[in-house]
Amino acid sequence: AQKITQTQPGMFVQEKEAVTLDCTYDTSDPSYGLFWYKQPSSGEMIFLIYQGSYDQQNATEGRYSLNFQKARKSANLVISASQLGDSAMYFCAMREVEAGNQFYFGTGTSLTVIP
Amino acid sequence: NAGVTQTPKFQVLKTGQSMTLQCAQDMNHEYMSWYRQDPGMGLRLIHYSVGAGITDQGEVPNGYNVSRSTTEDFPLRLLSAAPSQTSVYFCASSYSGTSGGLYQETQYFGPGTRLLVL
Repeated sequence: AQKITQTQPGMFVQEKEAVTLDCTYDTSDPSYGLFWYKQPSSGEMIFLIYQGSYDQQNATEGRYSLNFQKARKSANLVISASQLGDSAMYFCAMREVEAGNQFYFGTGTSLTVIP
Repeated sequence: NAGVTQTPKFQVLKTGQSMTLQCAQDMNHEYMSWYRQDPGMGLRLIHYSVGAGITDQGEVPNGYNVSRSTTEDFPLRLLSAAPSQTSVYFCASSYSGTSGGLYQETQYFGPGTRLLVL
């Protein structure tokens, strides 16, 4: 089974609107971390936000927030007030702590912001 | 603070050749890792290290070796290059700690190495 599933290969959003990028994960490890990264067309990987499995509150970093629903094993990224510079690939990832600190990445979602 | 540096940026190899991809970080992070990125497959973990002298295999370790003699450096060696190893390789280092009572983790990536094996 896939550890990280991103079911939206491509998404479009109007500038200044909010957009949600979906991510579901699969683990039996009680301790894990969830991450989102942005990869612009230039190719670098940029860390956006982190959520720990024991965190009670959803993580937020500026315009990024992580909608963490532990029972549903989902960790959706919400980008508020989209900007043209948000057009990029977005990857969800998970680190399993007790299973050896391995990282697993999803296949990504391509986001295009329309002016 | 240079962050995570990788060399070379591009490399072309012939099948059977060996080479080392260099990775260095100046942030004193304990956790470092190597990934490969192939089209449509996201990033896959090759090897990782939780500190100097400690390495472990990731999801796709075959054909690659690593060592971690210092906190700063984490080279990846291709033993005998194959066309299936054509990919973009990323090195990363990770920070974990508590700030303001909140536990936080962050992973910083190098710029990547594009490798073509003919």
